[in-house]
Amino acid sequence: QVQLQESGPRLVKPSQTLSLTCTVSGGSISSGGYSWCWIRQHPGKGLEWIGYIYNSGNAFYNPSLKSRVSLSVDTSKNQFSLRLNSVTVADTAVYYCARELNYWGQGTLVTVSS
Amino acid sequence: DIQMTQSPSTLSASVGDRVTITCRASQSISSWLAWYQQKPGKAPKLLIYKASSLESGVPSRFSGSGSGTEFTLTINSLQPDDFATYYCQQYHSDSRTFGQGTKVEIK
Repeated sequence: QVQLQESGPRLVKPSQTLSLTCTVSGGSISSGGYSWCWIRQHPGKGLEWIGYIYNSGNAFYNPSLKSRVSLSVDTSKNQFSLRLNSVTVADTAVYYCARELNYWGQGTLVTVSS
Repeated sequence: DIQMTQSPSTLSASVGDRVTITCRASQSISSWLAWYQQKPGKAPKLLIYKASSLESGVPSRFSGSGSGTEFTLTINSLQPDDFATYYCQQYHSDSRTFGQGTKVEIK
């Protein structure tokens, strides 16, 4: 059974960079043609797709976030990561990592505040 | 971007009811559509993929239909565990998008 777990700072200051890592267990990130995704959910709101990456490193981003987002993958650690630059309070959300479509992490609330 | 529009935004129903949620895409997405169920404080759970394929372990009272731009999620005989928020998501384009969600409430 594939499991995903988000990790990283829960509190980020405005203008700084939000960095999260997703650790995959129960399966290799290198196997299969799966897309490894980041999705976020603002408090009380709907789901927003951030982007996804293949084990090759080829990534696709939400156009509205593209200028600030970077995804990377580390197959040796079975992890993939999210970096979101120049954050504001509007980036406060629960951030989920997922293997599209059917395996999701539990989500982690990241708060942007000074 | 492909826009996904769900209706209704909120739905009040009783246990045993048949419930239908609609999702419309701003352009054709063939059958590249998924439906999720989300409960408060939990990650979304995949119910349906490729518009009509039932995910393993999901009760058969859930079904999906449609192709192109119009899709539906049907729940036959609503159960207490089904009161939740439901989202559609297209994965036709490289830029994935979700519908805004439909909250199914107890009547």
